[in-house]
Amino acid sequence: AQSVTQLDSQVPVFEEAPVELRCNYSSSVSVYLFWYVQYPNQGLQLLLKYLSGSTLVKGINGFEAEFNKSQTSFHLRKPSVHISDTAEYFCAVSRSNTGKLIFGQGTTLQVKP
Amino acid sequence: GAVVSQHPSRVICKSGTSVKIECRSLDFQATTMFWYRQFPKQSLMLMATSNEGSKATYEQGVEKDKFLINHASLTLSTLTVTSAHPEDSSFYICSARSLDRVDTQYFGPGTRLTVL
Repeated sequence: AQSVTQLDSQVPVFEEAPVELRCNYSSSVSVYLFWYVQYPNQGLQLLLKYLSGSTLVKGINGFEAEFNKSQTSFHLRKPSVHISDTAEYFCAVSRSNTGKLIFGQGTTLQVKP
Repeated sequence: GAVVSQHPSRVICKSGTSVKIECRSLDFQATTMFWYRQFPKQSLMLMATSNEGSKATYEQGVEKDKFLINHASLTLSTLTVTSAHPEDSSFYICSARSLDRVDTQYFGPGTRLTVL
């Protein structure tokens, strides 16, 4: 079975500072990896995904993530955050043949002025 | 981009009544739709997977007689919460996946259910 651990429940950061949201996963088979963002009372929006190929994945809104197979990690990074990046961020994993998403617990990114 | 809608966005009902939530893919054919439940400040928990024209597959611990799922067409899936109770109050989110993009799910905006 797969599982996802987001190591930080809350990450406070000042505007224009860099940020990293950490995600580790466990799986005995090959998986796809995703990062989603959720704004209050809304559904999820896909930031980026890793399916195969280059381990550095670039997504929307200036976010990127790096797949590290040896460390089973898929950390999300942004070099300079904005107030509008304040939201809940979810890391997720799925097996390629089922499409079922297993979500981490979420990380609240709080960007302060 | 692919758009998924949900209706209603918010619903308040009395205990014991049933509530139907619709999930529609607006610009693509969704061969598979997923239903999730999210409690406040928590992550999304997959409830069931529905494939068009077949019975839904429920996750362990989800009562299939309480959460009725129908996926009768390639653009519409419905979740009916039967005999709702206050503990069913939650945020319900659907997602849809097309046959040609099996690696990507598109999420609806969610439905906030409050059972009094």
